[in-house]
Amino acid sequence: DAGVIQSPRHEVTEMGQEVTLRCKPISGHNSLFWYRQTMMRGLELLIYFNNNVPIDDSGMPEDRFSAKMPNASFSTLKIQPSEPRDSAVYFCASSLTSGGAETQYFGPGTRLLVL
Amino acid sequence: SQKIEQNSEALNIQEGKTATLTCNYTNYSPAYLQWYRQDPGRGPVFLLLIRENEKEKRKERLKVTFDTTLKQSLFHITASQPADSATYLCALDAGAGGYNKLIFGAGTRLAVHP
Repeated sequence: DAGVIQSPRHEVTEMGQEVTLRCKPISGHNSLFWYRQTMMRGLELLIYFNNNVPIDDSGMPEDRFSAKMPNASFSTLKIQPSEPRDSAVYFCASSLTSGGAETQYFGPGTRLLVL
Repeated sequence: SQKIEQNSEALNIQEGKTATLTCNYTNYSPAYLQWYRQDPGRGPVFLLLIRENEKEKRKERLKVTFDTTLKQSLFHITASQPADSATYLCALDAGAGGYNKLIFGAGTRLAVHP
């Protein structure tokens, strides 16, 4: 099992540019989560998908952030336009079901630096 | 307000000793709590889950307790090894809409010295 795959692993961009982060969840998992991790705020949930449908996007910071899941094996998180305060590590995680007490499996993360 | 607190300072212990990490929470009523390990440059990895009706859970050298009265979970690593050095995150069930929404603590960095 390849685990959750994220790309790119590192991204450096300039303020104002569009950034697209990609995630491939574990095959057969029907729940997908996007998180952001910073020293100041820790690990924060941005958005949750169940069966490719966004269920909870209350953690998305603002309209500059958008996420899609066009099929069960692919999701994107887009930031447009990017700002220096968006610099963080972005993690994608998946779980088998959406039921309670399910383990979440995290990808290796994308380290984003916005200059 | 809702809060999850873990030891903010790093925990330094000698190899072979027991490491005890604390997770306290306020204004939550989690049905379960999970512990994850995170190594530098990697994503968190699940270790243990304990439910509200369980007092204690063990897995090899790991033990977790959950006291819903004190609103606290303790995470123990017995016979610690340098390879146990990592950041440990507690995560609790936010009870949101029936899905496994987790709220994570800031983590405690553990350093086990030979």
